[in-house]
Amino acid sequence: DVKVTQSSRYLVKRTGEKVFLECVQDMDHENMFWYRQDPGLGLRLIYFSYDVKMKEKGDIPEGYSVSREKKERFSLILESASTNQTSMYLCASSGAPQEAQPQHFGDGTRLSIL
Amino acid sequence: KQEVTQIPAALSVPEGENLVLNCSFTDSAIYNLQWFRQDPGKGLTSLLLIQSSQREQTSGRLNASLDKSSGRSTLYIAASQPGDSATYLCAVINDYKLSFGAGTTVTVRA
Repeated sequence: DVKVTQSSRYLVKRTGEKVFLECVQDMDHENMFWYRQDPGLGLRLIYFSYDVKMKEKGDIPEGYSVSREKKERFSLILESASTNQTSMYLCASSGAPQEAQPQHFGDGTRLSIL
Repeated sequence: KQEVTQIPAALSVPEGENLVLNCSFTDSAIYNLQWFRQDPGKGLTSLLLIQSSQREQTSGRLNASLDKSSGRSTLYIAASQPGDSATYLCAVINDYKLSFGAGTTVTVRA
């Protein structure tokens, strides 16, 4: 079974802090994704990566950056956390879409910015 | 931009009834369509993936159909159980990205 592991289930940080969310997958997937999920807005793509050191902006990249130094690990960074970044953050990984590879998700990190 | 719509937003049925969940999308140039289940406060669990060349996919009590030309997919859950209570999300895959619907929240009453 594919395992996508997010480092924290719950996290509380203060405004202005630099926040790191970590995600690790064990299936040697090329593609990794970060989403946020908010009531009434659904799931929105923040960033994705299709290879080591490669990244692409999603729909809402402002205020975030990412790092992918190793194939199995994809980090989301909140450069200076703000209260409007309080949300559920979900990481996912997949193989090539042309090969009908499903996306697999972690359990999520519920982040609160005070 | 791909728009994905799920109707209804919520559904409540008695145990044993069959469930029908609908998903529509605006851009038919998709690779695949994927159905997920989400329990409160949890991540997404992949249920079924239908390739764009397929018409349907089955797994146990679940059956998903895809009509790419009309931009529609339907998830059928046979003989519903209280454990099926969750939010069901469909997502279409264009290139590498998933576009999600808002979900249908299902309650199965014992």
